[in-house]
Parts: sequence; structure tokens; C-alpha cells
Amino acid sequence: AQSVSQHNHHVILSEAASLELGCNYSYGGTVNLFWYVQYPGQHLQLLLKYFSGDPLVKGIKGFEAEFIKSKFSFNLRKPSVQWSDTAEYFCAALRGSARQLTFGSGTQLTVLP
Amino acid sequence: DTAVSQTPKYLVTQMGNDKSIKCEQNLGHDTMYWYKQDSKKFLKIMFSYNNKELIINETVPNRFSPKSPDKAHLNLHINSLELGDSAVYFCASSRNRDSTDTQYFGPGTRLTVL
Repeated sequence: AQSVSQHNHHVILSEAASLELGCNYSYGGTVNLFWYVQYPGQHLQLLLKYFSGDPLVKGIKGFEAEFIKSKFSFNLRKPSVQWSDTAEYFCAALRGSARQLTFGSGTQLTVLP
Repeated sequence: DTAVSQTPKYLVTQMGNDKSIKCEQNLGHDTMYWYKQDSKKFLKIMFSYNNKELIINETVPNRFSPKSPDKAHLNLHINSLELGDSAVYFCASSRNRDSTDTQYFGPGTRLTVL
């Protein structure tokens, strides 16, 4: 079974709309969480990551994510999206002593001008 | 300056052929990875090397053989290519094998097997 789930496969928003992309993981114990973005034709770039401490993590380009342990979630948010945010967004998890990232299936975000 | 580079960017080949994809990083990192992204955009790790030593080897057909001549390079050789090998292959690197270290990805190599 897939251990990182992204339930939204494709999200379409208008510019200035607020964004929330869901990510759930199925691990117990210590987990490190990441959001990566892949702009069209480009490689994966790290948006933000959570290791410990404040569960609200701020990343680049106005993105943030909140780690909610009780819900096994790490949702990505942005208050006002721009056309340039159109991309594929991947949630990933690193569990305990594991040395590999497990990625979710990705969410394609399309922002209409 | 490109941090993690891959060549070629596109590769189209016939079934049964043998091909290689090269990866180089100029970040001074010790650890490198190969990922496969299928047609549904699902990313899965294949291999990881730390200082030229294989540390992760997921369930991948033995037609796939990684080679690390030095810690800045991790090449992927694929024998007897099959249709199902068509995918985008991403190389990545991280400072070391610490599980919390950020991984930096290359631009990907889109392999199409005809």
C-alpha cells in the first residue's frame, strides 16, 4: 500500500484563489515530511520541509504547510495563487531511520489567469 | 551553474537495446540517487550510492545497473530495454546519507522505448 497519499490529482484555480493540497502519510513514529514542486519541463525543487519543532512550516514563494500528527497530514497551503504556480506538487516522507524518500503520486495544479 | 546534471535529456530507443544515462553533481555531495517517474507521475527510488558505495537497491530488475566511478557521478546502465522501461529518470544528490538531508534533483531524462 502506498504510504504517502495525495488525493487531489488535478486542481484548477483562478489567480488570487487560496490553495490547499492534501497529503497524508501512513507511518507511525518519527517522520520527516517534504513538499517538492515540478514546474513544466523542469526538475523537482524543494518547497519546504518539516523535521521537528513548529508544525507550521514556511517555504519559498509564499507556500506553507502544517504538520498535524493526529491526522497524519501535511497539507500545503498558499493564500493567493499566481499563474506561475502552475506545476506538479509532490509530497514526500522520510520515516525514522529510513534513508529514502517515498513520494506521493503528485497533484497537478493549474492556475488560470 | 547546474548543480545536478543529467545526459541525455531525451532518449528514444528500440526494445532490446542497451543504453546509459549519466548523472553528475557539482555540489560536493557524498550521496546520489536514481528515481523513476512513471506515466502517472509517481516517483519511486531505484538506487542510492554513498561515496561510491551502494546503500539502497530497491526491487529493480537486474537489467538496471548503476555505476559510480567517483562520488560526483552516478550513471545508470540499462540492458535489454523493455517497453515498460519508458519513464522519466531523475538523478538526485544530498550532502550525505543522513536521512534528514535535502535531496537536489536533476532535470530528468525522458526515456522512450519503442
